[in-house]
Amino acid sequence: KQEVTQIPAALSVPEGENLVLNCSFTDSAIYNLQWFRQDPGKGLTSLLLIQSSQREQTSGRLNASLDKSSGRSTLYIAASQPGDSATYLCAVSRGIDGNKLVFGAGTILRVKS
Amino acid sequence: DAGVIQSPRHEVTEMGQEVTLRCKPISGHDYLFWYRQTMMRGLELLIYFNNNVPIDDSGMPEDRFSAKMPNASFSTLKIQPSEPRDSAVYFCASSPPRYPYEQYFGPGTRLTVT
Repeated sequence: KQEVTQIPAALSVPEGENLVLNCSFTDSAIYNLQWFRQDPGKGLTSLLLIQSSQREQTSGRLNASLDKSSGRSTLYIAASQPGDSATYLCAVSRGIDGNKLVFGAGTILRVKS
Repeated sequence: DAGVIQSPRHEVTEMGQEVTLRCKPISGHDYLFWYRQTMMRGLELLIYFNNNVPIDDSGMPEDRFSAKMPNASFSTLKIQPSEPRDSAVYFCASSPPRYPYEQYFGPGTRLTVT
């Protein structure tokens, strides 16, 4: 059974700091990996999607990497801003049934101004 | 596009009552997913549909839960009878043809069962 773990559970940083969020998964037979953002009282928004054949994806100040063999992914946020405060969730889709996403518990990020 | 629409946004009910949650997916999307989010268990997939047909309901916790998709623009998740442990935020998500992992989430329904 695929399990996804995210570390740390919560993180508080001053504005402008670069930060890294970690995600690990137990079964390397994934189809792809996504990073989502969830704001309080709202649904999830996909930030980055990495196919299993890719090593990383970038969007603006966000960079996500994937090491499938070791079962790890990192989300790097450069020059953090108060607007980045949210919960960040990692999700993997299984190789057999790529339609199903398995989510981690998330990292709660607070960026202080 | 209005995005995925869920109703109601909040529901408070008493134990034993029937609860129906509703979802309207994004037009043109042919996958629809129902998730449940709790502090203890995180975000869990309950069931998903493709072209209005249930494909995998292995995440549905028990027979008290049922889901239907009578047409491409409407789905319901019903709990009968409801129990306090069903209290959670229920999300609906939809995705376009050939890209089931590109899921667009609705704002969720916060259910409280007293």
